[in-house]
Amino acid sequence: QSALTQPASVSGSPGQSITISCTGTSSDVGGYNYVSWYQQHPGKAPKLMIYDVSNRPSGVSNRFSGSKSGNTASLTISGLQAEDEADYYCSSYTSSSTLAWVFGGGTTLTVL
Amino acid sequence: QVQLVESGGGVVQPGGSLRLSCAASGFTFSSYAIHWVRQAPGKGLEWVAFIRYDGSSKYYADSAKGRFTISRDNSKNTLYLQMNSLRAEDTAVYYCAKGQGLGGFDYWGQGTLVTVSS
Repeated sequence: QSALTQPASVSGSPGQSITISCTGTSSDVGGYNYVSWYQQHPGKAPKLMIYDVSNRPSGVSNRFSGSKSGNTASLTISGLQAEDEADYYCSSYTSSSTLAWVFGGGTTLTVL
Repeated sequence: QVQLVESGGGVVQPGGSLRLSCAASGFTFSSYAIHWVRQAPGKGLEWVAFIRYDGSSKYYADSAKGRFTISRDNSKNTLYLQMNSLRAEDTAVYYCAKGQGLGGFDYWGQGTLVTVSS
């Protein structure tokens, strides 16, 4: 169960848009529409932001959106706000060996 | 509202055992799959184990196979993780998380810290 690949860090200024990529294989990201994204502030539990590639849970701002192309999923945050500064993790269902889930290594978003 | 509260963490020596619990409320516990996910200090998230809503299917990460056992008591709305043969690399905050179908984890507990050290 190999981890998905995310950039270690991204940054943007308030009001701008940023995109975080999440690259896997045909056994996980590319094979299923079961990609999810999580926001984690320091010392806090992760929070679900996107599930099933592009669906937002109730209460999550529509500034957050998800997409997928081939083996790469993406999280886009538009209209960056200071409160968006956090770590972001992608995850995917995988059937590479047995039923399982795999996470990306995480991306630290800095709002300049 | 949905609440998941982990307990049972602590300091244990290498080779020792620990049982974590996760008390659920605010939803029909017996209708949902639940996962354990862990996070080593300063590191990323790692999926550990899954249990189907009725306990009939269980799956584990390679790092947990043969050492950890996930179980649930739907009459008590409680999830468990029995951890044996603990290693230093098992040191982490352990979270229980409610399953969102196959597409993710929609609610998380606050986590419980497990430290494996002599």
